[in-house]
Amino acid sequence: RKEVEQDPGPFNVPEGATVAFNCTYSNSASQSFFWYRQDCRKEPKLLMSVYSSGNEDGRFTAQLNRASQYISLLIRDSKLSDSATYLCVVGTSYGKLTFGQGTILTVHP
Amino acid sequence: ETGVTQSPTHLIKTRGQQVTLRCSSQSGHNTVSWYQQALGQGPQFIFQYYREEENGRGNFPPRFSGLQFPNYSSELNVNALELDDSALYLCASSLEGATNEKLFFGSGTQLSVL
Repeated sequence: RKEVEQDPGPFNVPEGATVAFNCTYSNSASQSFFWYRQDCRKEPKLLMSVYSSGNEDGRFTAQLNRASQYISLLIRDSKLSDSATYLCVVGTSYGKLTFGQGTILTVHP
Repeated sequence: ETGVTQSPTHLIKTRGQQVTLRCSSQSGHNTVSWYQQALGQGPQFIFQYYREEENGRGNFPPRFSGLQFPNYSSELNVNALELDDSALYLCASSLEGATNEKLFFGSGTQLSVL
């Protein structure tokens, strides 16, 4: 079983749509949780951290459920520029991140 | 720009050869982590170096080795290259004590093994 599991997609949505990504993690000792965005074989870039209380950054909302070991990302009002691979990431100790496979999102006109 | 630079950007090698990849960390960062990202997969942790010592290792064979220098730059060495070593190799630098959020990735080295 993978330590971090995501639906690889692809998700194809029209502009303006709302799309949700989910992932699960297996290590209950995990300490930190993130969503990263990766464009076309470039380096991953931190999109946002994820907290149990939930957090929002503009059109993006992330949520963590520690009891279920489940992480989600919601993107509202999708833009063409949101097309990318979204990586669910779990940190267990400083600097050591475990990445999911990534979910491919394509937003079309 | 993260301030983390990797070289070369692209590299082609043949099976059985050896390769060295380089990473210059962001100024002041004393910790470097290396990741391997195969096509269609997420990055996988190879190892981390802190103050010139290996500080944790993922599930990679011994032919993957590394170094960190006094200026905190780092090298990843892979011996006896295999076709499956073809991947994007990413390094990330950070400062001791910083949270995972303060991890800065370089743009990677794309290695192709033929």
